[in-house]
Amino acid sequence: QQPVQSPQAVILREGEDAVINCSSSKALYSVHWYRQKHGEAPVFLMILLKGGEQKGHEKISASFNEKKQQSSLYLTASQLSYSGTYFCGTEIADSWGKLQFGAGTQVVVTP
Amino acid sequence: DAGITQSPRHKVTETGTPVTLRCHQTENHRYMYWYRQDPGHGLRLIHYSYGVKDTDKGEVSDGYSVSRSKTEDFLLTLESATSSQTSVYFCAISPGQGPYEQYFGPGTRLTVT
Repeated sequence: QQPVQSPQAVILREGEDAVINCSSSKALYSVHWYRQKHGEAPVFLMILLKGGEQKGHEKISASFNEKKQQSSLYLTASQLSYSGTYFCGTEIADSWGKLQFGAGTQVVVTP
Repeated sequence: DAGITQSPRHKVTETGTPVTLRCHQTENHRYMYWYRQDPGHGLRLIHYSYGVKDTDKGEVSDGYSVSRSKTEDFLLTLESATSSQTSVYFCAISPGQGPYEQYFGPGTRLTVT
């Protein structure tokens, strides 16, 4: 089942912060985050693993609450380049290697 | 940038015709994936491959078949295209399975009329 992302869209001014949430009804092994700009391919941001390990982007942070099967992506001091659609991809324990992506959160950062 | 190309980049075809999309990588990664992207659905996995001639189904595999005869190429075939298969198709590669980043190709926009 597709993970649920919230909010669907957010508009920020440069320098503001935002949080994007991703929740699943199933036990998760890992959560991936990707950003896609209009007309382009998704780009990897980071992976959060069960047990707390993280791999990825240095300037964007995220958390993974294993008990609640939720992950949050934190956009801090947003820049114009942060605009795009953010997708979480979840990997559940009995579907090794297969990601299910959320519907996406559109982020617009204005000057 | 990861060395992934997709061809064709755009295609318009008629209902009932066969269509083959190609994904080519120069990274020698073992894992390759085909996704489709539609508004409101994010990315949905169609098929993936974990090695030459080793493939498995994703969540929306009906109406699609794949083949991988070489490490660098992963083909997606629509045996008889339908209007519901109008979508943007992305190929992705990964150096490992599971907790490894996926690198996406530029995408193929397919329109079935």
